[in-house]
Amino acid sequence: DAGVIQSPRHEVTEMGQEVTLRCKPISGHNSLFWYRQTMMRGLELLIYFNNNVPIDDSGMPEDRFSAKMPNASFSTLKIQPSEPRDSAVYFCASTTTGGHSPLHFGNGTRLTVT
Amino acid sequence: GDSVTQMEGPVTLSEEAFLTINCTYTATGYPSLFWYVQYPGEGLQLLLKATKADDKGSNKGFEATYRKETTSFHLEKGSVQVSDSAVYFCALPNSGGYQKVTFGTGTKLQVIP
Repeated sequence: DAGVIQSPRHEVTEMGQEVTLRCKPISGHNSLFWYRQTMMRGLELLIYFNNNVPIDDSGMPEDRFSAKMPNASFSTLKIQPSEPRDSAVYFCASTTTGGHSPLHFGNGTRLTVT
Repeated sequence: GDSVTQMEGPVTLSEEAFLTINCTYTATGYPSLFWYVQYPGEGLQLLLKATKADDKGSNKGFEATYRKETTSFHLEKGSVQVSDSAVYFCALPNSGGYQKVTFGTGTKLQVIP
């Protein structure tokens, strides 16, 4: 089992540029979550999907952020235009609904916006 | 709403010392409870869990007991190692379903030789 795969691991971009983060969940998992982690605010849930459908995007900070899940094996988080305050580590996690299933996290994408 | 409160860090211990990280929760019903660990440069990973009251979760020498009467799920280890240095998160799934999880703020543990 390859686990949750995120790319890229590191992204450095200039303010105003578009940034796209990618995630491949574990095969068979039907829920996918995007989190952001910073020293100041800790771990924040941005959005989550169930069966490829966005369920709750109330954590998305601004309209500059958007997320898609076109199929069960791929999701993207896009920031356009990016700003320095978007600098953080972005994590994707997946799980199966029901029961007591834990979240499985990827290793994250460290985004730096200069 | 559901919430988790865990002790502030950082916690610095010498190798082989006893560890306790406190966690209390507020929730509707009787959810499962989790401890996750985050090693430097990695994502969170499940350390242990308990699914009902009085259950004890254990893994890698860590233990936590689901205490309904005190709404607590404290993490303990009898003898910590340098390799245990990480950030530890207490967590519970929200009652609304879809496995949405409420995380504590995290407690950083540093173990010195």
